[in-house]
Amino acid sequence: GQNIDQPTEMTATEGAIVQINCTYQTSGFNGLFWYQQHAGEAPTFLSYNVLDGLEEKGRFSSFLSRSKGYSYLLLKELQMKDSASYLCAAMDSNYQLIWGAGTKLIIKP
Amino acid sequence: IAGITQAPTSQILAAGRRMTLRCTQDMRHNAMYWYRQDLGLGLRLIHYSNTAGTTGKGEVPDGYSVSRANTDDFPLTLASAVPSQTSVYFCASSSDAAGGHGDEQFFGPGTRLTVL
Repeated sequence: GQNIDQPTEMTATEGAIVQINCTYQTSGFNGLFWYQQHAGEAPTFLSYNVLDGLEEKGRFSSFLSRSKGYSYLLLKELQMKDSASYLCAAMDSNYQLIWGAGTKLIIKP
Repeated sequence: IAGITQAPTSQILAAGRRMTLRCTQDMRHNAMYWYRQDLGLGLRLIHYSNTAGTTGKGEVPDGYSVSRANTDDFPLTLASAVPSQTSVYFCASSSDAAGGHGDEQFFGPGTRLTVL
């Protein structure tokens, strides 16, 4: 079957760095997406990886290893506004997104 | 205002009633999607449409129907609502269903539906 695993909740300190891991199993693979979702709001796109390696975009970076079925989202210089859920989603061979349940990130001052 | 809108924002519905959730986008995106989001679960795809005039079933289609008469609108209908359909429903769109190009999905603000 198809499955996405990510931690349910993580806590980090303002100004620090946090890494959110995601492992996936899908029928075929057409890329890995990360979305951010603040409580009560819609998900918003953060990043897309289809090739192995690290993609950097400001304070956020995303890494992919296709051979390991593994990705992570790295958030640097954490700010209170980064408190949100982070959703990992893998695109399968039918170009449909398979979503993880999300990682709730709590930032403490 | 460019984007994707949904209506209503929230709704309380008696079991057995019929309900249509509306979704409209003005980005001229080809692909549109309906998801439900439940606590502790990932977003689950209900139905999708790769282009106007076509629709397909997602992971959890039972009890729901959709239509795509034009590019902009993608309504979701619950023919006879049941309590297990209590959820937050998100409509999304992307420029191309073949997301191998990394086409992100843009989400509407969601509809919070409670079926009693």
